[in-house]
Amino acid sequence: QVQLQESGPGLVKPSETLSLTCTVSGASISTYYWGWIRQTPGKGLEWIAYMFYSGKPNYNPSLKGRLTMAVDTSNNQFSLKLSSVTAADTAVYYCVRQTGLTPQYDFWGQGTLVTVSS
Amino acid sequence: QSVLTQPPSASGIPGQRVTISCSGSNSNIGTNNLYWYQQLPGTAPKLLIYSDSQRPSGVPDRFSGSKSGTSASLAISGLRSEDEADYYCATWDDSLSGPVFGGGTKLAVL
Repeated sequence: QVQLQESGPGLVKPSETLSLTCTVSGASISTYYWGWIRQTPGKGLEWIAYMFYSGKPNYNPSLKGRLTMAVDTSNNQFSLKLSSVTAADTAVYYCVRQTGLTPQYDFWGQGTLVTVSS
Repeated sequence: QSVLTQPPSASGIPGQRVTISCSGSNSNIGTNNLYWYQQLPGTAPKLLIYSDSQRPSGVPDRFSGSKSGTSASLAISGLRSEDEADYYCATWDDSLSGPVFGGGTKLAVL
């Protein structure tokens, strides 16, 4: 069974960089697309980024310039960095397995709450 | 201010049939497949419908999806208490080159 698990700090200070890692088990990261989605009470579900393991990442234009997504095939992990965070970036962050260029997410991590606060 | 528009809430009694709508535009629903997710409290969303009307293995046939033009619907028949959840629609947006979501519909089973 495919499992995804997010890890990273639950509290980040304003203007600093949020860093998350997603560890994939039960499947090779060298197939499928992988992505990040976040959920806030006010804005619901929001796509952040996705990439194929060997391709270039694609970023939500509303967050572009602050995002870096990367895949680590040796550890079967992928990561997300979001710089210059503000309170508006407080959300539950999910890592997902994406089927092609579609919003078909068959597998989700459990989600990790990241709070931006001093 | 989600790209796709859903009613914020819906309700029904056990055994009833309820529908949840999702509307968009030609750059998203009008040209791409529609997906539905069910999110139970405190859990990650779960894929309920893919490619407009297909159910993943394990999803009861009480759940069905349809699409016409730039709108789509999720129908739940034989409503059960365990269907009480948030439901989200999603599709690809060609202008964004990425996925877009509806704001979600909270379904109450009275």
